[in-house]
Amino acid sequence: AQRVTQPEKLLSVFKGAPVELKCNYSYSGSPELFWYVQYSRQRLQLLLRHISRESIKGFTADLNKGETSFHLKKPFAQEEDSAMYYCALMETSGSRLTFGEGTQLTVNP
Amino acid sequence: DTEVTQTPKHLVMGMTNKKSLKCEQHMGHRAMYWYKQKAKKPPELMFVYSYEKLSINESVPSRFSPECPNSSLLNLHLHALQPEDSALYLCASSHPKDGYTGELFFGEGSRLTVL
Repeated sequence: AQRVTQPEKLLSVFKGAPVELKCNYSYSGSPELFWYVQYSRQRLQLLLRHISRESIKGFTADLNKGETSFHLKKPFAQEEDSAMYYCALMETSGSRLTFGEGTQLTVNP
Repeated sequence: DTEVTQTPKHLVMGMTNKKSLKCEQHMGHRAMYWYKQKAKKPPELMFVYSYEKLSINESVPSRFSPECPNSSLLNLHLHALQPEDSALYLCASSHPKDGYTGELFFGEGSRLTVL
């Protein structure tokens, strides 16, 4: 069975500091990994996916199959980055998206 | 229209009531989902419809009954619920392409309270 682990429920950093949100997964097939974000009073939305290899709002994430990780990074955190971040895994069949427990990021001024 | 719309936003019902949650999208997406989210927990998948056919039922109790009348609408019929079913119910849609589901677009959710 697929599993997504986000070890930190809460993460607090100061504005301008680097931030890394950890995500590890277990899945026997070839997974599709995503980061979803939920800002206060907004709907859950996609932040980025591993296949596009792009940077969104300064965030990047690299899929490391050897370490089964998909950590989210940003070199300089901003206050508007404060939100709940979910790492998610889509199974090969493309229908079942499983979320990690989430990390609440707070960026302090 | 690039949104998933859910109604009602809030619903309070007794354990003997019958009610329905509705979800609508006009993005041409052919996969639609119901997720359940308890406070401070991640969304948990309940049902997936692909091309209006139920493709995944995550062993959800029969007191929850999904329906997909057409490619734009998804309903969740509720009957004889329990207080522990109180949660935020999220609808989502995606555009399947070559077997790849891609990005899920979520609605704002329907907050259900069962008394």
